[in-house]
Amino acid sequence: DTAVSQTPKYLVTQMGNDKSIKCEQNLGHDTMYWYKQDSKKFLKIMFSYNNKELIINETVPNRFSPKSPDKAHLNLHINSLELGDSAVYFCASSRVDSPFSYEQYFGPGTRLTVT
Amino acid sequence: RKEVEQDPGPFNVPEGATVAFNCTYSNSASQSFFWYRQDCRKEPKLLMSVYSSGNEDGRFTAQLNRASQYISLLIRDSKLSDSATYLCVVTQGGKLIFGQGTELSVKP
Repeated sequence: DTAVSQTPKYLVTQMGNDKSIKCEQNLGHDTMYWYKQDSKKFLKIMFSYNNKELIINETVPNRFSPKSPDKAHLNLHINSLELGDSAVYFCASSRVDSPFSYEQYFGPGTRLTVT
Repeated sequence: RKEVEQDPGPFNVPEGATVAFNCTYSNSASQSFFWYRQDCRKEPKLLMSVYSSGNEDGRFTAQLNRASQYISLLIRDSKLSDSATYLCVVTQGGKLIFGQGTELSVKP
């Protein structure tokens, strides 16, 4: 009965490759997010989708492309991977009832290592 | 200046101690405030929301001072299981802005 799941949990790949991370939530939430947590532990939002529509797009290289086939899924595709992309990527979801309701549920994370 | 600033620690305390974490935020338009907890190599999880009137949940007390743009978390009677990183979080423009986190290590 996992609430927010991500696959894979670990991803080791070489520079220049293209890879995807998948995320699914079974909470019935309408908003999903991708975050990046770097080696200094800062957790920063990358993208947010509400009912399959992109609503937040931070200053992220366009090598990163999110895709939301339905409101329960938000995948992240990364082209031409670079060493600096190594981080933990967290998916999250929330049910935004009002502008002030922001409890987010996070997936277990995908630890990406680019060599 | 970082949008949300915390002392990264680590705070090393004995079991039973009381420990306080502080956090400041730079944008006075921030609307909502939270403390999240992140265990080592795990995902962040909501610990508690923070209200202007202050709020308590068992051994945990959170306070917000909007005038000073300051948030605190007090943990009483620390347990070994409280060892984790505590993340101060504010909302701005529909986004959660996370602090770097304060690491707590509770020793026997």
